[in-house]
Amino acid sequence: QKEVEQNSGPLSVPEGAIASLNCTYSDRGSQSFFWYRQYSGKSPELIMFIYSNGDKEDGRFTAQLNKASQYVSLLIRDSQPSDSATYLCAVSLSSGGSYIPTFGRGTSLIVHP
Amino acid sequence: DADVTQTPRNRITKTGKRIMLECSQTKGHDRMYWYRQDPGLGLQLIYYSFDVKDINKGEISDGYSVSRQAQAKFSLSLESAIPNQTALYFCATAGQGMNEQFFGPGTRLTVL
Repeated sequence: QKEVEQNSGPLSVPEGAIASLNCTYSDRGSQSFFWYRQYSGKSPELIMFIYSNGDKEDGRFTAQLNKASQYVSLLIRDSQPSDSATYLCAVSLSSGGSYIPTFGRGTSLIVHP
Repeated sequence: DADVTQTPRNRITKTGKRIMLECSQTKGHDRMYWYRQDPGLGLQLIYYSFDVKDINKGEISDGYSVSRQAQAKFSLSLESAIPNQTALYFCATAGQGMNEQFFGPGTRLTVL
């Protein structure tokens, strides 16, 4: 049984702070890792993906992957109230477009002014 | 127009009824997916299709079936709906690159 674990939160951070969201996975064969943002009542949207160990930065977002420790994290710098949402982590055994994701339950992030 | 559309957006039905949820996309993607989401849970994969002739079961396919009528259309059926199939259902597509993923707006299904 493939498992992807996330702390459900809510994680509450002040505006301007760094929000750190974490995800662990059980299958060592996992190849690709994704972070999605889901606003309340809306569909998920992909914000980051990573498949190599280390950091990947895109604007205010940084994804960090450590395959040896089987965790992937998402850092949001200069958090804004508009970042308040649920963040879903997903893991796939395959890479490329033919991915078959397993999702975590999501972490609720609240950024307060 | 939206890239991925789902119909209906909301549906209330009774136990034992057959129901079909439809998904259409204009992205030209070969890969399509059906997920369900329950409150407080992430997405669970029901079925996925990597091209018109390729259909695969996901984590929770029991009680569901799918049809890939064309590259652009992927339908999900509940042959005999039961109350624990009450959930939010999402269709998604994926392109060649891992950053090419798009979700539909969702269908909220209630089975009484």
